[in-house]
Amino acid sequence: LAKTTQPISMDSYEGQEVNITCSHNNIATNDYITWYQQFPSQGPRFIIQGYKTKVTNEVASLFIPADRKSSTLSLPRVSLSDTAVYYCLRGANSKLTFGKGITLSVRP
Amino acid sequence: NAGVTQTPKFQVLKTGQSMTLQCAQDMNHEYMSWYRQDPGMGLRLIHYSVGAGITDQGEVPNGYNVSRSTTEDFPLRLLSAAPSQTSVYFCASRPGFSGANVLTFGAGSRLTVL
Repeated sequence: LAKTTQPISMDSYEGQEVNITCSHNNIATNDYITWYQQFPSQGPRFIIQGYKTKVTNEVASLFIPADRKSSTLSLPRVSLSDTAVYYCLRGANSKLTFGKGITLSVRP
Repeated sequence: NAGVTQTPKFQVLKTGQSMTLQCAQDMNHEYMSWYRQDPGMGLRLIHYSVGAGITDQGEVPNGYNVSRSTTEDFPLRLLSAAPSQTSVYFCASRPGFSGANVLTFGAGSRLTVL
């Protein structure tokens, strides 16, 4: 199974823009890249998905370079409530595998 | 529309006991899956199903059985629980077999094996 890799943790302050990067080794041609957010004692929830270039929704942007070997989740003006674990997921078939996730801590 | 419902939320077992974690979804999703989450390990895929009657192994299938007799239900069975199976288990589903990896997760089931 192909893997995704992320740094373990990062800190930020309220109001800052946060960029979280994920590396995808051996990404396949038809793989999508999807990001999830998880709060303590809850299941992960979908944030954003993309295939190439840039995707933006009401909560985040996703940047994917031309070689698609990495992706960057951008959270504009984070708040304390954005403190969570963020996972990237890649796949286009049934075996959807997650990285270990990155813990984002937002401070006042 | 309840989404993905997991039961029980908490369970304590003794080594060697068996039990079934239940997962039900009311969104008519064809794809369902089970993950376990351990500290520092992220989410690891145990088993998945692309439709009724079809199941397959994920990354860490040993010690677990699944079946998919209906579209709605995807139970996870532990035949002889071991302390290494102490974990938080998440069930997830998505519509169809496609490139859209928008999974809906349940709230999780915390299992402790003594």
